Amino acid sequence: EAQVTQNPRYLITVTGKKLTVTCSQNMNHEYMSWYRQDPGLGLRQIYYSMNVEVTDKGDVPEGYKVSRKEKRNFPLILESPSPNQTSLYFCASSLDPGQGYEQYFGPGTRLTVT
Amino acid sequence: AQKVTQAQTEISVVEKEDVTLDCVYETRDTTYYLFWYKQPPSGELVFLIRRNSFDEQNEISGRYSWNFQKSTSSFNFTITASQVVDSAVYFCALIGAGSYQLTFGKGTKLSVIP
Repeated sequence: EAQVTQNPRYLITVTGKKLTVTCSQNMNHEYMSWYRQDPGLGLRQIYYSMNVEVTDKGDVPEGYKVSRKEKRNFPLILESPSPNQTSLYFCASSLDPGQGYEQYFGPGTRLTVT
Repeated sequence: AQKVTQAQTEISVVEKEDVTLDCVYETRDTTYYLFWYKQPPSGELVFLIRRNSFDEQNEISGRYSWNFQKSTSSFNFTITASQVVDSAVYFCALIGAGSYQLTFGKGTKLSVIP
């Protein structure tokens, strides 16, 4: 089954404790992206990757890191989480969004930083 | 810069009523793609439809229909004879051709009351 998986689905952590949210896709998509969803703000892009070893900032990259060492994986790293990073996070992948291909989204990771 | 406006934050309708969700966009790109996604209460994001900027043909899929009007920069979504299962947050999104950044509206929460 074609899918995007994220882990963990739920995470409660404390300020400053480094964490990683994993994302994996099995569709051989070159493009992957991370979004955060906050009430009243919709979805905002954090980082995206056009291919292995190629990443770029989205609209809200501060406080986040990403890496793309393999085509299928695109982890999101919070080196020193803060309460304002409490949010619902989505990973997505696509063949080529700039050619109109839709993005497939993972199930989401609900992160709470206390 | 691109912008997607969904002016309706929340809508409530009684089952079997028709409802239209509005989406207005701004872009300087001459070629672009518009999308609608559905986010049911379970939280996942489900792709509904994609429309190319050069194709103004309206589309109907069962109870769903989409009206794309380039002249008014609108891409509205109508649900005919709404059902409780249509209750969700609906997002409109835009990406320019060749771009890697999808811009989402803030979403419209639709509640269908039995």
